[in-house]
Amino acid sequence: GESVGLHLPTLSVQEGDNSIINCAYSNSASDYFIWYKQESGKGPQFIIDIRSNMDKRQGQRVTVLLNKTVKHLSLQIAATQPGDSAVYFCAENESGGSYIPTFGRGTSLIVHP
Amino acid sequence: NAGVTQTPKFRILKIGQSMTLQCAQDMNHNYMYWYRQDPGMGLKLIYYSVGAGITDKGEVPNGYNVSRSTTEDFPLRLELAAPSQTSVYFCASSHRGELFFGEGSRLTVL
Repeated sequence: GESVGLHLPTLSVQEGDNSIINCAYSNSASDYFIWYKQESGKGPQFIIDIRSNMDKRQGQRVTVLLNKTVKHLSLQIAATQPGDSAVYFCAENESGGSYIPTFGRGTSLIVHP
Repeated sequence: NAGVTQTPKFRILKIGQSMTLQCAQDMNHNYMYWYRQDPGMGLKLIYYSVGAGITDKGEVPNGYNVSRSTTEDFPLRLELAAPSQTSVYFCASSHRGELFFGEGSRLTVL
């Protein structure tokens, strides 16, 4: 399940399940969105991106959905593996302005074998 | 390409000491950033630069300074270290909005 508190929200899933991580963004003018994965002790790494002219984009085992009406982004991970355990951040950009992304709060994904 | 390289990886400082966290990128990116990440928390932007000679404050700039004399380097300076600056510091550079992060510098101020 998912818990929200002062620190990062946590999503716990069983290996093999599908995971859905959600993100609400704030700027209606944002038109470029990226999901990053941060493994323990490392810097965040790019997973997948989507532009505002799309509502869905698929990668290998990951899918990003964008709902501009409610300013919501989600990352779906199929057949979650222990190696997917990490903190996931969404970032929004307004490409017409400076490339100064606004990062979401982050969600900690814990995959139980 | 080495990407974004940060040094040192770990450092312990005494209150009031000063130090510089080094950051270098070899991707010829114009944009560079410094973030801090407190335990169990998200990323907070300290300073950023849109090109050599240009820097600007982010969300939490107090207690820090930066310079950008070359495209490659973006050092972060702590002048008078305080316990509140205990954190993990990430440098990043970007290409068209996609950020490339370094491995982080873990700083403890005692």
